[in-house]
Amino acid sequence: DAKTTQPPSMDCAEGRAANLPCNHSTISGNEYVYWYRQIHSQGPQYIIHGLKNNETNEMASLIITEDRKSSTLILPHATLRDTAVYYCIVRGTGANNLFFGTGTRLTVIP
Amino acid sequence: NAGVTQTPKFQVLKTGQSMTLQCAQDMNHEYMSWYRQDPGMGLRLIHYSVGAGITDQGEVPNGYNVSRSTTEDFPLRLLSAAPSQTSVYFCASRGDSSATGQYFGPGTRLTVT
Repeated sequence: DAKTTQPPSMDCAEGRAANLPCNHSTISGNEYVYWYRQIHSQGPQYIIHGLKNNETNEMASLIITEDRKSSTLILPHATLRDTAVYYCIVRGTGANNLFFGTGTRLTVIP
Repeated sequence: NAGVTQTPKFQVLKTGQSMTLQCAQDMNHEYMSWYRQDPGMGLRLIHYSVGAGITDQGEVPNGYNVSRSTTEDFPLRLLSAAPSQTSVYFCASRGDSSATGQYFGPGTRLTVT
């Protein structure tokens, strides 16, 4: 599975959009990009995933560049409850593991 | 649906004791897995199962056993607890489509003294 690179921490003002970047320059053609988050002491929560096209669900939007070497998770209107560690993971359909790195610690500021 | 449930939430063991961490899901998911998370670190895969009767090792399987007799349940057994197994343990499941996301339980916080 391709490795990912994320900034260790970010701040975002409450009510503003939070844009979390992820680099995955070695991604291969059958690998998906997944985003999870972990709120303090809780189990990771699946947010969204995509292959090539941009995706949107009730929680977030995922923007994947055309060359698929990077992506951005967008929380359109961040709330205090969105404060968490966000993990960007790349995984092929045949792989059984999720390689969690250290993620990005997002702090939403009132 | 209750999703993925884990018991107990907290456990303290003495070195050498054995115990079973329980995990159950009610989403009829074929794939289930166990991860451990040490302080300040990401999750590491211990064991996983792609269906009833099928299990396999992950990244850090030593000291742990699993079995999968039903689709719903995937218990993790610590054979002889060691202080190095002090960690938070998470169980996860996902549906048949290998592209879908995984759903995690709330975790079991284990301390081995």
